Parts: sequence; C-alpha cells; structure tokens
Amino acid sequence: DTGVSQDPRHKITKRGQNVTFRCDPISEHNRLYWYRQTLGQGPEFLTYFQNEAQLEKSRLLSDRFSAERPKGSFSTLEIQRTEQGDSAMYLCASSRGEGYNSPLHFGNGTRLTVT
Amino acid sequence: KQEVTQIPAALSVPEGENLVLNCSFTDSAIYNLQWFRQDPGKGLTSLLLIQSSQREQTSGRLNASLDKSSGRSTLYIAASQPGDSATYLCAVRDRGATNKLIFGTGTLLAVQP
Repeated sequence: DTGVSQDPRHKITKRGQNVTFRCDPISEHNRLYWYRQTLGQGPEFLTYFQNEAQLEKSRLLSDRFSAERPKGSFSTLEIQRTEQGDSAMYLCASSRGEGYNSPLHFGNGTRLTVT
Repeated sequence: KQEVTQIPAALSVPEGENLVLNCSFTDSAIYNLQWFRQDPGKGLTSLLLIQSSQREQTSGRLNASLDKSSGRSTLYIAASQPGDSATYLCAVRDRGATNKLIFGTGTLLAVQP
C-alpha cells in the first residue's frame, strides 16, 4: 500500500492555458474522488468514479473541467482555458467499494496557481 | 442541505494539555463522520471514522465521539505534542449525498513546546 499518488505537486500556468493532473489511487480501491480546496476552506467535492464510470459531477465542475478514469485505475483531471479563480489545491482520494463506511484516503494534492 | 461547522477556528495550547475539537452538522441522516489531519501544503490524513451506529472510536491518543441525534462530534487529543500541530477537519457522509464527503472548514491547532 503506497498510498494515493498525485502528479505534479505544483503547477504554475498562465491564464488561458490548459492543464492536466494525474492521480494514482491505492491499487485495490475501485472508488476515486476529486476535490478542490481553497485557502482556509475545507475540500469541496468535484467528481466521483466507480471503476471507470464517472457517476457523479458537482455543479462546481464547469464545462472547462473534464475527468477520466479510462481503465478504472489512474485518473486525470483536465482544466481547459484556465482562469485565476481555478487557483486551488486539487486533491484526489480513493476508497474500497464496500458500502459507504470505507474511509477515504487522500493524496498530497496538486497546487495550481494561475497567473 | 447538510452544513458542517467546526469550532474553534484556531486553538493554541501548551504541550502536554488535553484538548477537545468540536464538529457540528445540521442533518443527522449520515452514514458516518470522518476526522482528518492536514499539515500545511499537504493532503489529508485519515485519523478516525465513526459509523452512524457507533458512539466513539479510539486510536492511540485520539478519541472521537459521535452524538448523531444532536449533530455533534468531538475529537479528544490526550497529552498534546508539538507534532500534533496541524489543521483538523471533520467530514460527514450524508445519506442524501452518498458519494461525497461534506467538510467543515477545520480547526488550526498549534501546540507550543
């Protein structure tokens, strides 16, 4: 169990550019989540995958955001035409698919700064 | 709509003190409540998960309680150490929104040596 891995740790980009983040969940976890956290706030839910199926998306996830989990293993989160308001920590989490009482395990996040 | 509140927002204590962090939620229809620790610039580390049918969970110097009917949870830290300094977040898994956790804004704890 190597934990949830996220890459890159930091990303600085200019407004209008596209960025992509990667998340590798714990290997036996079939549920994967993306959250966004701004300074001084708790994480906010963005989207959820059960295996390769994206089952829920928050209204926070505008049409500039897209997430994939093509083989039910790693996931990517892409932001197109970045805006300064996208600056935040993007956190990935995974859990086992056993009801609703499996704890979520988070990665160290990707900090995005849009200049 | 479920809302989660944590009080106080910040807490400073001398090393060795026992302390209590509070978490409240507005809708008691939850599956569970989870406590996390977050160090500056890092992700979240899961500390304890209490299922809705449970009253408390313990791990080392940490004890978390849950009173679902009153919408409250506490995290008790015994014999605090400077290494306990971090932000502590609670989150509920709501029965009306089962695929996501709803977080509070956290309590920033500083333990002074």
